[in-house]
Amino acid sequence: GAVVSQHPSRVICKSGTSVKIECRSLDFQATTMFWYRQFPKQSLMLMATSNEGSKATYEQGVEKDKFLINHASLTLSTLTVTSAHPEDSSFYICSARGGYGELFFGEGSRLTVL
Amino acid sequence: QQQVKQSPQSLIVQKGGISIINCAYENTAFDYFPWYQQFPGKGPALLIAIRPDVSEKKEGRFTISFNKSAKQFSLHIMDSQPGDSATYFCAASIGGGNKLTFGTGTQLKVEL
Repeated sequence: GAVVSQHPSRVICKSGTSVKIECRSLDFQATTMFWYRQFPKQSLMLMATSNEGSKATYEQGVEKDKFLINHASLTLSTLTVTSAHPEDSSFYICSARGGYGELFFGEGSRLTVL
Repeated sequence: QQQVKQSPQSLIVQKGGISIINCAYENTAFDYFPWYQQFPGKGPALLIAIRPDVSEKKEGRFTISFNKSAKQFSLHIMDSQPGDSATYFCAASIGGGNKLTFGTGTQLKVEL
């Protein structure tokens, strides 16, 4: 099956720094990718929809200036958490839409902000 | 986002038993209902999905039952095994491949 890779899988950073998370579709092209956030023992909450070559669409309540999304190619979308703070610590998961409309999820990236 | 309500929050089943998880949705525009399995520290993996034109779909030990009039759907795991112990999420979207609204999750434990 199609593979979606996220990097890094784990990252620890100091408060105030910025962190970039990559989401790659390894064997297919994805014009649309989605970014989700998951707190411990909670559900996945959609943050934004990332479309190749255009600006991301953010869900209500998600700060677009804090969570920068770039979808510069058909196989790569990045999420940058700017000026991270401890409350941004979470599990960030991306998914990519395949050619037949199916969604493939990455393995997630755990961010810990000290 | 439109809500998808999921129950129970947690479930303990004996090996070989049937695990049943239920979901209810509000938005009648939803037309794609997948179920995902998630192990700790991993991303969700698609188990099975259904569209509202059928009332039941079976794949191996996993069955989705769908009740369009009640706006409810459920996952049945037959012959539950310890390896099935994970968190299960129902979800819904308008059109497959579009943004998903997830249920709150059910933590399943299958005991020997």
